[in-house]
Amino acid sequence: TQLLEQSPQFLSIQEGENLTVYCNSSSVFSSLQWYRQEPGEGPVLLVTVVTGGEVKKLKRLTFQFGDARKDSSLHITAAQPGDTGLYLCAGASGTYKYIFGTGTRLKVLA
Amino acid sequence: DVKVTQSSRYLVKRTGEKVFLECVQDMDHENMFWYRQDPGLGLRLIYFSYDVKMKEKGDIPEGYSVSREKKERFSLILESASTNQTSMYLCASSFQLRLAGGPETQYFGPGTRLLVL
Repeated sequence: TQLLEQSPQFLSIQEGENLTVYCNSSSVFSSLQWYRQEPGEGPVLLVTVVTGGEVKKLKRLTFQFGDARKDSSLHITAAQPGDTGLYLCAGASGTYKYIFGTGTRLKVLA
Repeated sequence: DVKVTQSSRYLVKRTGEKVFLECVQDMDHENMFWYRQDPGLGLRLIYFSYDVKMKEKGDIPEGYSVSREKKERFSLILESASTNQTSMYLCASSFQLRLAGGPETQYFGPGTRLLVL
């Protein structure tokens, strides 16, 4: 069974701090996605990484796909209260299926 | 903008009731998905449909069925609701099957929070 473990599970930080969220698996994925979910809403796609070692930047967010395509990280620089939410990674498995990670709940305090 | 709507945001049902959750998308997407979301478990796939009247089981199909009579609508049915089906249910849609190595974007609805008493 493919599993995606995210760490930490919860994170509460002050505005302006940096943080990194990790997404780890023993399985290889053809691609990996990161989503953010705000309270009362469905997840919204932030980024897709496809190539091992790939790094993508989205303003203050930096996403990295591991060389072996088994893990990924999300780094946020100078976090803001608007970054608060549940962050989910999802690995592509098979022709249509995604395996979702356990989630990291981030709270950024003003 | 892609829009995925779910019929109810909150639902309270009794054990043994038959429950229908409806999902509609307006982007002519071929694929539609039903997930349930529970704390610490992430999203788990219940059922998937890649075309009208076509369905495939996901990871946790037991106790659920689905119906896709029209391309834009995908329904999740709890035949006899039980307390362990209390959860957040999320519907998603996407374009076509993924080409080898090429991901597609899933667009999610706002979710239905179901409480079974």
